[in-house]
Amino acid sequence: GAGVSQSPSNKVTEKGKDVELRCDPISGHTALYWYRQSLGQGLEFLIYFQGNSAPDKSGLPSDRFSAERTGGSVSTLTIQRTQQEDSAVYLCASSFGHGETQYFGPGTRLLVL
Amino acid sequence: AQRVTQPEKLLSVFKGAPVELKCNYSYSGSPELFWYVQYSRQRLQLLLRHISRESIKGFTADLNKGETSFHLKKPFAQEEDSAMYYCAKGEDNAGNMLTFGGGTRLMVKP
Repeated sequence: GAGVSQSPSNKVTEKGKDVELRCDPISGHTALYWYRQSLGQGLEFLIYFQGNSAPDKSGLPSDRFSAERTGGSVSTLTIQRTQQEDSAVYLCASSFGHGETQYFGPGTRLLVL
Repeated sequence: AQRVTQPEKLLSVFKGAPVELKCNYSYSGSPELFWYVQYSRQRLQLLLRHISRESIKGFTADLNKGETSFHLKKPFAQEEDSAMYYCAKGEDNAGNMLTFGGGTRLMVKP
């Protein structure tokens, strides 16, 4: 079956612009995670959604970052007023639920000029 | 903060040689540990998790609570094992999000 998909695969933007990154999880997966992979910080957790519960935003690096998950499926990560340090690969993962294997998408490579 | 440490950024071995990728964690309880692998131009994927005690593609990993380690081993490396390997720990909370080590690039030379 189809795995986790993300779009766009690459995004180049200018400093100060807003960007939206999209994640389509595996059908039936109730848990959805966003991670960031950058040269300086490695792989780090950003935000977690589980069903209709309030998201765990403990990993978001600043209030410029936000995410939503509509209808318990597709998720959008929004970065406002992008900075050069936001340049990274943004990974989405989904799982059947707590403690289950997380399946990762191909990532969106973001470059902020 | 809980951490996962992979001391080697790069490990280079010859085909057929044994390989051990080191992973240490800081946690006092019973951790849930994973190894993820990322082959060239492919997405990050689960290799194995300690609770299943499986051997995947010839790789095994044993949890050593005394040494707080979860090293990944393979007795005879193959060229197709060349990839980036990440050790990860599941957080002990509702989200079970993963804390990753910095990764080790394994290069298996012919």
